[in-house]
Amino acid sequence: DVKVTQSSRYLVKRTGEKVFLECVQDMDHENMFWYRQDPGLGLRLIYFSYDVKMKEKGDIPEGYSVSREKKERFSLILESASTNQTSMYLCASSPDRMQETQYFGPGTRLLVL
Amino acid sequence: EDQVTQSPEALRLQEGESSSLNCSYTVSGLRGLFWYRQDPGKGPEFLFTLYSAGEEKEKERLKATLTKKESFLHITAPKPEDSATYLCAVQVNSGYSTLTFGKGTMLLVSP
Repeated sequence: DVKVTQSSRYLVKRTGEKVFLECVQDMDHENMFWYRQDPGLGLRLIYFSYDVKMKEKGDIPEGYSVSREKKERFSLILESASTNQTSMYLCASSPDRMQETQYFGPGTRLLVL
Repeated sequence: EDQVTQSPEALRLQEGESSSLNCSYTVSGLRGLFWYRQDPGKGPEFLFTLYSAGEEKEKERLKATLTKKESFLHITAPKPEDSATYLCAVQVNSGYSTLTFGKGTMLLVSP
């Protein structure tokens, strides 16, 4: 079974704090993705990575950065958290360009006060 | 711009009452269409991938079909445990394997 894990299920942070969300997959997948999910807006892609040290902007990258130093790990960074970044954050991975089904982690619900 | 529209937004069924969820899409070139199931507070769970018009896939009480403009997720004789939000996503013929998601259909099956 594909396993995608996220470091926290729930997180509460204060405005201005630096926030790290970690994602790890155990299936040697090449591609990894970060989404946020908000009521009425659906899933929106923040950043993705198709190789170690490579990153590409998604639809809503503003206010976020990412890091992929190892193949299995993809980190999402909120440099200075704001209340409008309160959301459900979902990480996903997919094997490669020939097998493109994305498998999701359980999500991190982030509340920024 | 690629667009994915799911309907209805919400659907309430009685146990055993079959129905269909719709996913219509407008894309430049479809590489694949994906269906996911999402339970409250959890990440989406992969159900099906469809690649070409006329293709069908089945899993238990679920059957997904694809035409050139839309996909249907048919639910036959649903049970309360089928209650969830069903998400549709499309992948286009471009350099990266990203998905564009619809907003989902929330299904509630009452006993």
